[in-house]
Amino acid sequence: DTAVSQTPKYLVTQMGNDKSIKCEQNLGHDTMYWYKQDSKKFLKIMFSYNNKELIINETVPNRFSPKSPDKAHLNLHINSLELGDSAVYFCASSQVWTSSTYNEQFFGPGTRLTVL
Amino acid sequence: AQSVTQLDSQVPVFEEAPVELRCNYSSSVSVYLFWYVQYPNQGLQLLLKYLSGSTLVKGINGFEAEFNKSQTSFHLRKPSVHISDTAEYFCAVSVRNSGGSNYKLTFGKGTLLTVNP
Repeated sequence: DTAVSQTPKYLVTQMGNDKSIKCEQNLGHDTMYWYKQDSKKFLKIMFSYNNKELIINETVPNRFSPKSPDKAHLNLHINSLELGDSAVYFCASSQVWTSSTYNEQFFGPGTRLTVL
Repeated sequence: AQSVTQLDSQVPVFEEAPVELRCNYSSSVSVYLFWYVQYPNQGLQLLLKYLSGSTLVKGINGFEAEFNKSQTSFHLRKPSVHISDTAEYFCAVSVRNSGGSNYKLTFGKGTLLTVNP
């Protein structure tokens, strides 16, 4: 069973289009994340949700909108796609990190987005 | 704000040779440190972590790392590498906020380890 899954694995689209990437975790975690890995492999967090509530929102264009319908899902919707959005997007999940307990993040396999 | 520097973007080695991948961090508060591995076309997998306690931490696949607070370093080592260790390795730091329920991982730019026969 895949712990953190993402669909699609590859996404090729034209500039200006709107697209979504879906993420699901079956680990029972209450926190989910989106990361972007650019062409130079640099990995940076974009968003984090805990119990469907946004808790981390980095400096990301508002064309990117995460949506969490339930604790097991965190989807990423991107409007008006630009060339610079081409990257690999990783979803991750964990239990929330409390003051006394570290909880490992588990990563999905990634979605390679190519904007033409 | 915390940051992570991986000093080498690429490290080529021969099979069965030892390897060290360097990582330095900066933070004004206590940190937690991690090494992740990314095999080609795959997601990230946790190799090892330092949270507290012993400064020498052992991870999966024979890797270990040593936390050095005075040098703000967390270098990754393996005494004898295999071709299957060829991958991208990321050092990361995480800092908790005062409430402890909100944190993020900040990654270095990665080191490509290439093991040659």
